[in-house]
Amino acid sequence: DSGVTQTPKHLITATGQRVTLRCSPRSGDLSVYWYQQSLDQGLQFLIQYYNGEERAKGNILERFSAQQFPDLHSELNLSSLELGDSALYFCASSVGALGEQYFGPGTRLTVT
Amino acid sequence: GIQVEQSPPDLILQEGANSTLRCNFSDSVNNLQWFHQNPWGQLINLFYIPSGTKQNGRLSATTVATERYSLLYISSSQTTDSGVYFCAVDLEGGNQFYFGTGTSLTVIP
Repeated sequence: DSGVTQTPKHLITATGQRVTLRCSPRSGDLSVYWYQQSLDQGLQFLIQYYNGEERAKGNILERFSAQQFPDLHSELNLSSLELGDSALYFCASSVGALGEQYFGPGTRLTVT
Repeated sequence: GIQVEQSPPDLILQEGANSTLRCNFSDSVNNLQWFHQNPWGQLINLFYIPSGTKQNGRLSATTVATERYSLLYISSSQTTDSGVYFCAVDLEGGNQFYFGTGTSLTVIP
């Protein structure tokens, strides 16, 4: 158990809908990262927050947004969902802005 | 962007055999990690190894940052070692994070 928690574990929704994925980092970690793992794209970095502020941005679509709250948990919002958004979404955390990342168990999103 | 290539892409081993997995990266990096993704999809930290050599039981890793590669050694493999092994790097400047293409390992009894 890495200490990073993600909810829900599984999510099934329809095209065009909006969902929110939640992540709680390890106690004491200030950074939260979001990644998407799909069969055709592999593991891709989406976005990083550090102590409440966006720090780095990767291949995140405009339909996706994230935020980190004062208690350091983070939410990833996915809207206007498409079939291609079906994937495993991971959250990771680290103590500082950089450093060793610890991954949560992931949320498996299926868009039908 | 940076290229992170892993080899071999697939590997089948008899239980008890040893193996070496390689991760090549095309740019200077701050950090490098090795992960094992088990058949249930969980990403498990193996090593945080920006440079040098580390050992943990049957596993060890070496990163030569100046030559832009890292190696993961698995000795006396067990069926529970099956899964996909990823290396992950972050660029100098630390604002992008990349996973390699992965090595899928199957250990047969």
